[in-house]
Amino acid sequence: AQSVAQPEDQVNVAEGNPLTVKCTYSVSGNPYLFWYVQYPNRGLQFLLKYITGDNLVKGSYGFEAEFNKSQTSFHLKKPSALVSDSALYFCALRGSGAGSYQLTFGKGTKLSVIP
Amino acid sequence: ETGVTQTPRHLVMGMTNKKSLKCEQHLGHNAMYWYKQSAKKPLELMFVYSLEERVENNSVPSRFSPECPNSSHLFLHLHTLQPEDSALYLCASSPTVGTGEPYEQYFGPGTRLTVT
Repeated sequence: AQSVAQPEDQVNVAEGNPLTVKCTYSVSGNPYLFWYVQYPNRGLQFLLKYITGDNLVKGSYGFEAEFNKSQTSFHLKKPSALVSDSALYFCALRGSGAGSYQLTFGKGTKLSVIP
Repeated sequence: ETGVTQTPRHLVMGMTNKKSLKCEQHLGHNAMYWYKQSAKKPLELMFVYSLEERVENNSVPSRFSPECPNSSHLFLHLHTLQPEDSALYLCASSPTVGTGEPYEQYFGPGTRLTVT
């Protein structure tokens, strides 16, 4: 069985400071990893994904994520946080085995950027 | 969002009512999904359709009945719901189900359902 953990329910960061939202995973075989963001009263929006190759993945709105196979982590980062980044962030995992196409989501991390 | 639309955005229904949620995608995708989002819980995948054929039903109670008349439209028919079914119901689509290439999914804004 595959699983995703987002160990922090909430992350607070001051505007202009770097932010990190943590994600760890468990899966047999190679993982496909995604980050989504959800603003209030909206659906999830895709930010970035890791399939293979470079461990540092760049995505929308200045976000990036670092894949670390040894630590089974895929943390979301941004060098300088904006108030408008305040939202709910979800990490998701898909296995690469035959027949595995379902996404498993973490519980989400609420990011609050303080002006 | 114009990619994936959902109606209604809000729905209040009694436990004896019958209602339907509608989803439409304008992206030319072949796969569509229903998810349930409850507070403090991960997103729960309910149903998956690929080219109008249901390929996944994750042990969802029969009071939820999906319908996919074509690759652009997806419905979720509701009847005899329980208060614990109150949640945000999200529709999503992707180019294919993606057993090979891991395509990202595109989500609608959701329908906020309250069962009284």
